[in-house]
Amino acid sequence: EPEVTQTPSHQVTQMGQEVILRCVPISNHLYFYWYRQILGQKVEFLVSFYNNEISEKSEIFDDQFSVERPDGSNFTLKIRSTKLEDSAMYFCASRILNGQANYGYTFGSGTRLTVV
Amino acid sequence: EDKVVQSPLSLVVHEGDTVTLNCSYEVTNFRSLLWYKQEKKAPTFLFMLTSSGIEKKSGRLSSILDKKELFSILNITATQTGDSAIYLCAGLANFGNEKLTFGTGTRLTIIP
Repeated sequence: EPEVTQTPSHQVTQMGQEVILRCVPISNHLYFYWYRQILGQKVEFLVSFYNNEISEKSEIFDDQFSVERPDGSNFTLKIRSTKLEDSAMYFCASRILNGQANYGYTFGSGTRLTVV
Repeated sequence: EDKVVQSPLSLVVHEGDTVTLNCSYEVTNFRSLLWYKQEKKAPTFLFMLTSSGIEKKSGRLSSILDKKELFSILNITATQTGDSAIYLCAGLANFGNEKLTFGTGTRLTIIP
């Protein structure tokens, strides 16, 4: 079964450093998402990406965050200057246009980001 | 602001018991309600409910949606220790990019 692949599975970084979280969505999917889950809290929407541009972003997704699909297969989330409160599990998801039992939403296994 | 509320937050039952998990939602341009099971990492899909009153079943799990009361339940019968997990429900909006709004989840623990 096709999977959304995320790397690394765990990243530790110092406050103020830049991090790039990587995702390889399912190949025929057209919508791409980043969600995050702070430990013990709910999964929160960050940003959606379609047709090579951001289609919606949440209040969390401020100027420190950016997304990119540099080569047609990878989908990256960059945090320019990490803060302690950015520590969370970051999930990438992708979705096919429509149809399918789960509306095509498939989540990756996540990257746990720890900012120290 | 869209909101999804789950109850109870935590539930501990013995193996073999039946449990009912609740989810209420307020989602603008609501399209569907999705249930996920989260064990260690990524949420794994259980059900998507779009129509009211139609029960979806998968083995010992079943779920139903009430679009009038803005409510869904997830039932698990004859629970097993492998059912221990956090169960998430999420509302899916109809337009644009169809983002998911998640509830905080119900942590289910099955005691052998």
